[in-house]
Amino acid sequence: DVKVTQSSRYLVKRTGEKVFLECVQDMDHENMFWYRQDPGLGLRLIYFSYDVKMKEKGDIPEGYSVSREKKERFSLILESASTNQTSMYLCASSSRSIQVLAKNIQYFGAGTRLSVL
Amino acid sequence: KNEVEQSPQNLTAQEGEFITINCSYSVGISALHWLQQHPGGGIVSLFMLSSGKKKHGRLIATINIQEKHSSLHITASHPRDSAVYICAARLGGATNKLIFGTGTLLAVQP
Repeated sequence: DVKVTQSSRYLVKRTGEKVFLECVQDMDHENMFWYRQDPGLGLRLIYFSYDVKMKEKGDIPEGYSVSREKKERFSLILESASTNQTSMYLCASSSRSIQVLAKNIQYFGAGTRLSVL
Repeated sequence: KNEVEQSPQNLTAQEGEFITINCSYSVGISALHWLQQHPGGGIVSLFMLSSGKKKHGRLIATINIQEKHSSLHITASHPRDSAVYICAARLGGATNKLIFGTGTLLAVQP
């Protein structure tokens, strides 16, 4: 079974703190994604990475950065947390293969519910 | 206007009812996903389809590429089907980006 593991299920941080959200996948997937999910807005892509040390901005990258030093790990960083970053954060991974459609399913972690006070 | 729209946003059904959730999209896609999210956050992929129809147990997903529309059906619904159902349009290319609908919250009452 594919496993995408997010380091924390719940986090409470204070405004201005630096926050690290970690995601690890065990399927040797090239692509990894960070989303946030808010009521009425659905999932929105923050950043994604298609290879080690490669990253691209998603739809809402402001206030976030990412790090992908190893293939299996993709970290989301909130440099200075703000209350509007209170949200559910979801990590996902997928194979990059475009030859085999079935491999392009994104596998999701269980999510980290972050509260910034 | 969102590029991927779902309806209804909320749905309450009695156990045993046939349920339909609709998804319309305005972008060109290579595939469409249906996802299920249970309370607590975990998301599971139910279907990925690029044409026609797929069936898994009591779940059926259909897609009409010309009309840019997909439906998820649940036959003989059960309270354990209660969850948020999300459709997502997959853009082409190797990066596998998805554009998500806002989800349909389904509650099946016994």
